[in-house]
Amino acid sequence: EVQLVESGGGLVQPGGSLRLSCAASGFTFSFYWMTWVRQAPGKGLEWVASIKQDGSEKYYVDSVKGRFTISRDNAKNSLFLQMNSLRAEDTAVYYCARGNYAYYWGQGTLVTVSS
Amino acid sequence: DIQMTQSPSSLSASVGDRVTITCRASQGVSNYLAWYQQKPGKVPKLLIYAASTVQSGVPSRFSGSGSGTDFTLTISSLQPEDVATYYCQKYYSAPFTFGPGTKVDIK
Repeated sequence: EVQLVESGGGLVQPGGSLRLSCAASGFTFSFYWMTWVRQAPGKGLEWVASIKQDGSEKYYVDSVKGRFTISRDNAKNSLFLQMNSLRAEDTAVYYCARGNYAYYWGQGTLVTVSS
Repeated sequence: DIQMTQSPSSLSASVGDRVTITCRASQGVSNYLAWYQQKPGKVPKLLIYAASTVQSGVPSRFSGSGSGTDFTLTISSLQPEDVATYYCQKYYSAPFTFGPGTKVDIK
């Protein structure tokens, strides 16, 4: 059974940092692109970042470029999102998803940026 | 970057009605277009990929069509359990942008 389990969310002050993790199981992690998608409270889905199978290509939405870094550890079946210089508008549920379009999603982890 | 729009932003229809949602890309994305359904408080569910391929397990009343810049999601006979927000997403090239969503409810 495919499982994606996010962790690392929480309350952080503006300008702070958080590192999200996504533990994958039930499939060959190294075979797939992986993606982070977020959803601000009451808002729509926003694609945040994607990473190629071997980590050689990474793409970001403009609003997070230079602040967020997506990475992966294929040996540990894990996906990460390092988030720096956080802003109030980064407040959202962050989902880990398999592929560039996703059948499999995690349950999400809430990031709240507030003083 | 390619922009994605959806219309309408919301609709209200009766049970049994045929419902059509449109997604438009500002540039061609071939058939690299997916549709998702998201019910309140739930994780998005993939309905359709490659513009017209229905994901296994999705009811047959859902269908997709289009290519290039114009795409359509159709619910042939709206059911109460279809109340949700529907999103398109292009995956032709990064950024893999979602449309703004269409909220569907029952009249």
